[in-house]
Amino acid sequence: QQQVKQSPQSLIVQKGGISIINCAYENTAFDYFPWYQQFPGKGPALLIAIRPDVSEKKEGRFTISFNKSAKQFSLHIMDSQPGDSATYFCAARANFGNEKLTFGTGTRLTIIP
Amino acid sequence: DGGITQSPKYLFRKEGQNVTLSCEQNLNHDAMYWYRQDPGQGLRLIYYSQIVNDFQKGDIAEGYSVSREKKESFPLTVTSAQKNPTAFYLCASSRPGLAGGGETQYFGPGTRLLVL
Repeated sequence: QQQVKQSPQSLIVQKGGISIINCAYENTAFDYFPWYQQFPGKGPALLIAIRPDVSEKKEGRFTISFNKSAKQFSLHIMDSQPGDSATYFCAARANFGNEKLTFGTGTRLTIIP
Repeated sequence: DGGITQSPKYLFRKEGQNVTLSCEQNLNHDAMYWYRQDPGQGLRLIYYSQIVNDFQKGDIAEGYSVSREKKESFPLTVTSAQKNPTAFYLCASSRPGLAGGGETQYFGPGTRLLVL
């Protein structure tokens, strides 16, 4: 049972463009939505996270947009750079006290010159 | 230098053999997790532990076992019952969040398990 659906599976963006990755969830108990960045052969690293009490969070070139009524959230990477080429995972956590994260299936992002 | 270490980086398993993956953290985190990563399937939770001497099954626990005898260590054993063990295994840890809050999960560098 996939509780977090992520799209697209892969994405190619030109340098300087905007990369957009989308996630949708079903469980209304989710209350924490992080995005992780993973380079080949490495473990994922937290990029940015949001809680449902705000609709947007920005950190540098990275922005999360959150739509609680639609149960959707997205990652926007502005001025995309070749160094942003990686796999991105969205995730969600329900505050049941066990800190379990449910991950999306990942998006492989490639930034071309 | 705080963080999570996993060893070995690559591990080869023969048919019918049990193998153990090591995960150590010096972040003083109470919670630790094991994930399996397969291409196109994201990260799937195998086992997690919120406190020493206690652990719970995740979504795909069959064929795996864990122990949590020390706060810093959470080894994962891939048993011979796991028929398709080839994957990238990731260990993570976190400090339990406050009510209504949440804490980041920090990941180790991973172990790639291959079957001979």
